[in-house]
Amino acid sequence: AQSVTQLDSQVPVFEEAPVELRCNYSSSVSVYLFWYVQYPNQGLQLLLKYLSGSTLVKGINGFEAEFNKSQTSFHLRKPSVHISDTAEYFCAVKSGGYGNKLVFGAGTILRVKS
Amino acid sequence: EPEVTQTPSHQVTQMGQEVILRCVPISNHLYFYWYRQILGQKVEFLVSFYNNEISEKSEIFDDQFSVERPDGSNFTLKIRSTKLEDSAMYFCVIARDRVNGEQFFGPGTRLTVL
Repeated sequence: AQSVTQLDSQVPVFEEAPVELRCNYSSSVSVYLFWYVQYPNQGLQLLLKYLSGSTLVKGINGFEAEFNKSQTSFHLRKPSVHISDTAEYFCAVKSGGYGNKLVFGAGTILRVKS
Repeated sequence: EPEVTQTPSHQVTQMGQEVILRCVPISNHLYFYWYRQILGQKVEFLVSFYNNEISEKSEIFDDQFSVERPDGSNFTLKIRSTKLEDSAMYFCVIARDRVNGEQFFGPGTRLTVL
């Protein structure tokens, strides 16, 4: 069975500082990996995804993530955060097999302070 | 422009009552899903639907739940006899492609069971 672990429930950071949100997954088959962002009282919006190819994936709003197969990680990074990045971030995994449901981590709340 | 809309945005119901949550995709999509998020918890997969039948469901999706696409457009989730623990945000999700396609989340319906 697949699972996703987001080690940090909350990450406080000052504006313009870099940030890394950690995500580790477990799966016995090939996977696709995703990061979604949820702003207050809204649905989930896709930030970026890894399907194949280059392990460094760039997404919207200046975010990027690196797929590391040996460490089974897909950490999300941004070199300089803004107040508007304050939101909850979810890492998700989807198997490469027939089943295509997304399995989500518990989420990390990013709080950007001025 | 959102890919999918959901109605209602908020539904309050009494325990034991039936509720129907509706999802309207904006453009042509083949794959439909329902996920839910209990307050403060992970986003959880409920069911996937393709070609007018359920393709996968989770253990949460018991006999009290059903889905259908009655008019080829709207996609509905019915809960026959709601329980207190059904209180959650329910997200309709759509995709054009099973494997590589992005799953677009609707804004959600907040269901409150009293």
